[in-house]
Amino acid sequence: GAGVSQSPSNKVTEKGKDVELRCDPISGHTALYWYRQSLGQGLEFLIYFQGNSAPDKSGLPSDRFSAERTGGSVSTLTIQRTQQEDSAVYLCASSLDRGVEDTQYFGPGTRLTVL
Amino acid sequence: GESVGLHLPTLSVQEGDNSIINCAYSNSASDYFIWYKQESGKGPQFIIDIRSNMDKRQGQRVTVLLNKTVKHLSLQIAATQPGDSAVYFCAEIVWNNAGNMLTFGGGTRLMVKP
Repeated sequence: GAGVSQSPSNKVTEKGKDVELRCDPISGHTALYWYRQSLGQGLEFLIYFQGNSAPDKSGLPSDRFSAERTGGSVSTLTIQRTQQEDSAVYLCASSLDRGVEDTQYFGPGTRLTVL
Repeated sequence: GESVGLHLPTLSVQEGDNSIINCAYSNSASDYFIWYKQESGKGPQFIIDIRSNMDKRQGQRVTVLLNKTVKHLSLQIAATQPGDSAVYFCAEIVWNNAGNMLTFGGGTRLMVKP
């Protein structure tokens, strides 16, 4: 079956512009996660959804970052007034449920470059 | 293009040799651990997992060892192949009411020489 997909695969934007990143999780997966992978900083948790609600937004780096999920499926991560330090690869993962042993399956990521 | 840091520790091994990749974790309350493999331009792929009540688990060509006393995890790859070249991350998972929280280690780059 289809895995997690993300779009766009690459996004180049100018400082100050808003960007929207999309994640399509594996069908039937109730849990969805966003991570950021910055150069030299490894993988960083951003936000988690169970269904359409986000019980944990603790990883969002600033109020310029927001995310939503609709219909228990597609999620969008929005970054407003982008800054150069937002440049990173943004990864989405989904898992069947939120249990400790529910494996997270990752998408290919969106590479964001802020000029 | 490469999606992880340029300053990752690197392990270089000869094709056919065994590889051992190490990881230190920080949270003694972690319930579960996963090793992920990430090839250039792709998202992390699940390799093998281990629960906190185990100290060893074997898969196909891979073995994970867990030492909770010193909070150390290792991934052993037998008969390393060129296709094993990638960055390897360990992830520790703590389950709380908000869900399944992964915290990733910094990653190790494995380079396999033919």
